[in-house]
Amino acid sequence: GQQLNQSPQSMFIQEGEDVSMNCTSSSIFNTWLWYKQEPGEGPVLLIALYKAGELTSNGRLTAQFGITRKDSFLNISASIPSDVGIYFCAGQLGNTPLVFGKGTRLSVIA
Amino acid sequence: EAGVAQSPRYKIIEKRQSVAFWCNPISGHATLYWYQQILGQGPKLLIQFQNNGVVDDSQLPKDRFSAERLKGVDSTLKIQPAKLEDSAVYLCASSLDWTDYGYTFGSGTRLTVV
Repeated sequence: GQQLNQSPQSMFIQEGEDVSMNCTSSSIFNTWLWYKQEPGEGPVLLIALYKAGELTSNGRLTAQFGITRKDSFLNISASIPSDVGIYFCAGQLGNTPLVFGKGTRLSVIA
Repeated sequence: EAGVAQSPRYKIIEKRQSVAFWCNPISGHATLYWYQQILGQGPKLLIQFQNNGVVDDSQLPKDRFSAERLKGVDSTLKIQPAKLEDSAVYLCASSLDWTDYGYTFGSGTRLTVV
């Protein structure tokens, strides 16, 4: 089946630093999404991307849908303690449900 | 608007016992999903409903897992009998319809099988 590879698996950064994480696939996708999950909660949608090459921002978050349709990245600028959590990429093709990556665990040191 | 409601939040059972989880999606959402999230992994789809019909259950272990959404609103997921490897968080999500990929997730049910 389709698999999404996220990197890095985990990262520790200082408050105020910028963060970059990415997601790659051997298959193409029509839609890429980024979710954030905090302990004891379900994933929450951050950004949705629907077109190859699309660059979308949501506050301090910026995500891009790769031209090849096989990758996406998420950047967080000027990180703050509440950015802590696990960030998941998810892809979708045709009329199939979302497929999720294994996540990038972000820790922010104040 | 109210979110996706799931219960119970936590459940501990012995292997070979049965367990059921309940989900009430956002009002008006036609599509409902059950995902399994094993510790350290991303969510993995178990089953997708469109109203009261099953759209995709290809990854549901049908020898022990079953799910229903009889009236096209709330849904139950059952495991019988449970195995140790079923320990996971079971997440329910809903969306307006199958073309809406911005799923809203519930907080999940954490199942521990001992």
